[in-house]
Amino acid sequence: GAVVSQHPSRVICKSGTSVKIECRSLDFQATTMFWYRQFPKQSLMLMATSNEGSKATYEQGVEKDKFLINHASLTLSTLTVTSAHPEDSSFYICSARSSVGQPQHFGDGTRLSIL
Amino acid sequence: EDKVVQSPLSLVVHEGDTVTLNCSYEVTNFRSLLWYKQEKKAPTFLFMLTSSGIEKKSGRLSSILDKKELFSILNITATQTGDSAVYLCAVDSGAGSYQLTFGKGTKLSVIP
Repeated sequence: GAVVSQHPSRVICKSGTSVKIECRSLDFQATTMFWYRQFPKQSLMLMATSNEGSKATYEQGVEKDKFLINHASLTLSTLTVTSAHPEDSSFYICSARSSVGQPQHFGDGTRLSIL
Repeated sequence: EDKVVQSPLSLVVHEGDTVTLNCSYEVTNFRSLLWYKQEKKAPTFLFMLTSSGIEKKSGRLSSILDKKELFSILNITATQTGDSAVYLCAVDSGAGSYQLTFGKGTKLSVIP
């Protein structure tokens, strides 16, 4: 149980492109989903928290107009990196949690490379 | 500011050895401590600990929490090459939407 699917797993695109990443909870309803960014040999850095049906809460230093998050249903959240630039290249990971007090379960991540 | 510190940062052992990974924390409104294993992709959930002194076990892995000392350990007995990974400790601090604060991880390498 507790499977989270993230798609795509790898994106390579040109600078200026917008990239959409999907995160789905396959066998449970996720009231809250989280988006993280991970640089090489670093731990996960929380970017934003999204609750179904409401606006995402962004961490300090994360541009909400740059990283658009939509959590339209209890099983799907999307992260759109708008007008991506090389400095946005990173490993993006989503997680989902069924309710407060339950563990977060992670997707397999998306490696984004902006040329 | 919430803080999670893991040690050692990296460890190389031979197959069959037993290892102990450490995690200390300083957070407000502690709810739980979680251990994850990260190989090439995203972390996979191992344990969630909420109470002191109660050991959680799964096969060769076990973990325990000491809320007085603000500390947890993850033990792996009879290590195998498949145990090679980065082990992440995270604390659910109960702030806001109960977010996780992660340590930097311990990179474990098990050699034959």
